[in-house]
Amino acid sequence: GQSLEQPSEVTAVEGAIVQINCTYQTSGFYGLSWYQQHDGGAPTFLSYNALDGLEETGRFSSFLSRSDSYGYLLLQELQMKDSASYFCAVRGDTDKLIFGTGTRLQVFP
Amino acid sequence: EAGVTQSPTHLIKTRGQQATLRCSPISGHTSVYWYQQALGLGLQFLLWYDEGEERNRGNFPPRFSGRQFPNYSSELNVNALELEDSALYLCASSSGQLTGANVLTFGAGSRLTVL
Repeated sequence: GQSLEQPSEVTAVEGAIVQINCTYQTSGFYGLSWYQQHDGGAPTFLSYNALDGLEETGRFSSFLSRSDSYGYLLLQELQMKDSASYFCAVRGDTDKLIFGTGTRLQVFP
Repeated sequence: EAGVTQSPTHLIKTRGQQATLRCSPISGHTSVYWYQQALGLGLQFLLWYDEGEERNRGNFPPRFSGRQFPNYSSELNVNALELEDSALYLCASSSGQLTGANVLTFGAGSRLTVL
C-alpha cells in the first residue's frame, strides 16, 4: 500500500525559514506533490517533484530524494498568510493520489 | 475559466438517509477524484473516475458510490448515512496526463453533517 508521514505541526515566526518533511512508502513512484490548505478552504497545488533534486517556485521550494523515499517543502521569508496546513501526496502503482495527514504551520509575528 | 464547482455547499441529513453530492470539473479535464476530509484530519481517497469509468476506489464501504457522466461531471452518493460520515467532501479534477495526474484542482467542497 501507500503511506506518508509528516509532522503534525510546525511553528515559526515571520521572516523565518521552515522545512516540512515527508517520508513515504509506495509501490511504484510517479511523483511527490505538495498542497496548501487554509482553514475552511480548498487544497491548492504548490509543487511537484518527479525526479531527485530541488524545485523552486518563488518563496517555496520542494526537494525529493527517491532513494530515501523522502521529500521536503521549504518555505522562506515566512508571512502570516502562510499559516495553513500543508499536505504531501504521492502517486504510486495504484495510480491514485494519496495524501499525508498534513502539517499545520502557524506563523507568529 | 471556471474552476471545479461543487454542490451543495452544505448538506444536513439524519442517520440512515442518503446524500448526493455533485461536482463539475474544469473544462477539458476528464478525471474526477473524490476525497473525504473529516474535521482536523487529512484527505482520505474515496473514488477516481476517468472517461466515465471508475478507475480506483479507496478503503470505504460499498455504500459510498458514484458515477461520472458523459460531460465528465460526477456525483457521489452516500447511502445509509452514519454519524461518522460527517465531513468535508472534496472533489478535484485533472487532465489525466502523467504529470498532470499529480496536479489536482480542488473544488471548495461540500460539508455533510449527519445528525
